[in-house]
Amino acid sequence: GAGVSQSPSNKVTEKGKDVELRCDPISGHTALYWYRQSLGQGLEFLIYFQGNSAPDKSGLPSDRFSAERTGGSVSTLTIQRTQQEDSAVYLCASSLSSTNEKLFFGSGTQLSVL
Amino acid sequence: AQSVTQPDIHITVSEGASLELRCNYSYGATPYLFWYVQSPGQGLQLLLKYFSGDTLVQGIKGFEAEFKRSQSSFNLRKPSVHWSDAAEYFCAVGAQGGGTSYGKLTFGQGTILTVHP
Repeated sequence: GAGVSQSPSNKVTEKGKDVELRCDPISGHTALYWYRQSLGQGLEFLIYFQGNSAPDKSGLPSDRFSAERTGGSVSTLTIQRTQQEDSAVYLCASSLSSTNEKLFFGSGTQLSVL
Repeated sequence: AQSVTQPDIHITVSEGASLELRCNYSYGATPYLFWYVQSPGQGLQLLLKYFSGDTLVQGIKGFEAEFKRSQSSFNLRKPSVHWSDAAEYFCAVGAQGGGTSYGKLTFGQGTILTVHP
C-alpha cells in the first residue's frame, strides 16, 4: 500500500490477556517507530527499529511490552498480561531511514483493556 | 531530559482569523523542532520542521513557525484559518547528534483547534 498500515484498527481485550498489534510500513522504509497516545496525553515514544540494527527499546514502559520486526518490514508490538492503564492508541510510523526526519504515521490501533 | 509544553489544550478561532499555537521546549542544545497535525480519523502529518538556519520556517497548508532560542519557543502561526484546519496540533522536539534517530521524538500534549464559521 501507499501508506503505513496498522491492524487491527480497534482491539478490546480483558485485563490479563496478551495482545498483538501489527504495523506494515511503507515499502523501502528502513526505520520503524512505535508510539503510544493515551487520552489527553501527547505521543510517547516506545521503540524504534533501523534496518538490522538492535532496536532502541528505551521507551518501553515495562517488560510486558515487546516488539519485533521480521525481515526488516512488518513489525508486531506485543503486550502481555494487559492492564487497564495500557488502554491507548498505539501508533506506528516509518521513515526512509533513522537519519530522515519525515515520519509517516499509520492511523493507529485503539486498544481498550476492560 | 528534553520536554515540550503546549500551554493551550483547546483553542477556538473564527474562520479567517489569525492563529498562533504556542510551544515551549526544554533541551540542552539546539534541538530539532517539529509541528505535526492530526485530523480526525487520519494519521499524523508533518507540517514543518526546524533544524538550523533561518529561524522562520514555512510549512504546508500555509503554516509557519518561528524558532526563538531566547524564549525556548517554537510557535506555530497561520494568518487566516480555514475550517479544514480544525484538528489537533502537536509540537515535538528531537535530539541532535550522537547517532540518535531523527524520528525519536518527545511530543507535547497537543492543542485542539476548533474553527467557527
